[in-house]
Amino acid sequence: KQEVTQIPAALSVPEGENLVLNCSFTDSAIYNLQWFRQDPGKGLTSLLLIQSSQREQTSGRLNASLDKSSGRSTLYIAASQPGDSATYLCAVEDYGGSQGNLIFGKGTKLSVKP
Amino acid sequence: NAGVTQTPKFQVLKTGQSMTLQCAQDMNHNSMYWYRQDPGMGLRLIYYSASEGTTDKGEVPNGYNVSRLNKREFSLRLESAAPSQTSVYFCASSGTTLGEQFFGPGTRLTVL
Repeated sequence: KQEVTQIPAALSVPEGENLVLNCSFTDSAIYNLQWFRQDPGKGLTSLLLIQSSQREQTSGRLNASLDKSSGRSTLYIAASQPGDSATYLCAVEDYGGSQGNLIFGKGTKLSVKP
Repeated sequence: NAGVTQTPKFQVLKTGQSMTLQCAQDMNHNSMYWYRQDPGMGLRLIYYSASEGTTDKGEVPNGYNVSRLNKREFSLRLESAAPSQTSVYFCASSGTTLGEQFFGPGTRLTVL
């Protein structure tokens, strides 16, 4: 059964720092991997989607990489800002589950201090 | 475009009561999903609908029913609510071959 793990569970950094969030998954047979942001009491906002054939995707200050063979993805945030404070969730869609069934990690809660 | 909308935002039920959570999307997506989010458990798929007229069970379907009313709307029904169904419920949709899912703002349900 696919399992997704995110480390660390929480991270606090000063404004301006570059940072990396980690995501690992146990079964490399995936369709894609998606990174989300969740603000307290809100829904999920899609940040980046990486297809299984891709190595990375970029959007603004965000860069996500995927190493399917090792079961790892990273989300790199450049020049962090207080507005980046949120919980970041990683999810994979794999071949073993229901169509479109995203398997989520428990998230990394990021706090960027001014 | 409103994206994915959900009603109500908050609901408190007593054990045994029934209710329907509503979801609608205006992105012309074929697939729609219902997830629940619980502390320490993350998000888990309840039901999904790959296209209008079809529905299938996800990881945690017990105690729930769904209806894909048309391409836009996908509702989740609790026939006899239980305290274990206290959770935040999210609806999502996807419409591209990439599979990117877009989420609604959620419904916070408490069952007493």
